[in-house]
Amino acid sequence: QKEVEQDPGPLSVPEGAIVSLNCTYSNSAFQYFMWYRQYSRKGPELLMYTYSSGNKEDGRFTAQVDKSSKYISLFIRDSQPSDSATYLCAYQGGSEKLVFGKGTKLTVNP
Amino acid sequence: DGGITQSPKYLFRKEGQNVTLSCEQNLNHDAMYWYRQDPGQGLRLIYYSQIVNDFQKGDIAEGYSVSREKKESFPLTVTSAQKNPTAFYLCASSQGPGGHQPQHFGDGTRLSIL
Repeated sequence: QKEVEQDPGPLSVPEGAIVSLNCTYSNSAFQYFMWYRQYSRKGPELLMYTYSSGNKEDGRFTAQVDKSSKYISLFIRDSQPSDSATYLCAYQGGSEKLVFGKGTKLTVNP
Repeated sequence: DGGITQSPKYLFRKEGQNVTLSCEQNLNHDAMYWYRQDPGQGLRLIYYSQIVNDFQKGDIAEGYSVSREKKESFPLTVTSAQKNPTAFYLCASSQGPGGHQPQHFGDGTRLSIL
C-alpha cells in the first residue's frame, strides 16, 4: 500500500466553482499535514498547515483532516483562474522526512 | 525580502561532468533539504542538513553530494555517477527539523543533459 495516494487529475472547473482536492495516507505516525501549491516552473508554496483533525480556514481555502479515516482534503471556494496550479499534499511524522503526494493539476477556466 | 534563492534556473550537464546547484537562504533557518521532482512523481528527498557541518542521506542520495559549511548555504553536486540527472531540483529550509516546522521552498533548478 502506498504511503500517500493523490488523484493526479487533471481537474478542470469553471471560474467560481468549489474545488475539492483529496489525499489518503496509510501511516498512522503522520502528525502534520500540509497543502502546497505549485505553479508551472516554480517551487511549491506552503498553502495550509495543520496538525489536528478538523477544519482550518484561510480566506477561500479550507483544509480538512480526518485522522481516523487517514484522509485530508483541500477546498477552494469561488475558484479563480489564478488558482490554476498543481496542488501537493504532504505529511510528516516526528522525523525530518516530508512525504508528498504526486500532485493534482487544477485548471480554473474563466 | 526573506527567502530561498536557487541558481541557476536552468543548467545543462555534459557526459561525465559534475555540476553544482546553489541554494542560499536568508531566513535564519537551521534545517535545509534537497529534493528531486520528476514528471508524474512526488518530490523525493536527496539529502538534508539539520545543522552546519552535518548532513544526512535521504531516499535517493546515490550520485549526489552536498556540503553545509555555512548556515545560509547548502549546495548540491550532481556527479557523473548519477546516470539519470534530468529533473527539477528543489531546495527547501525549515526553522528546525521535524514536522512542527513546515518547509519552505525555492523556485528550483532545472537540470538537463546535453
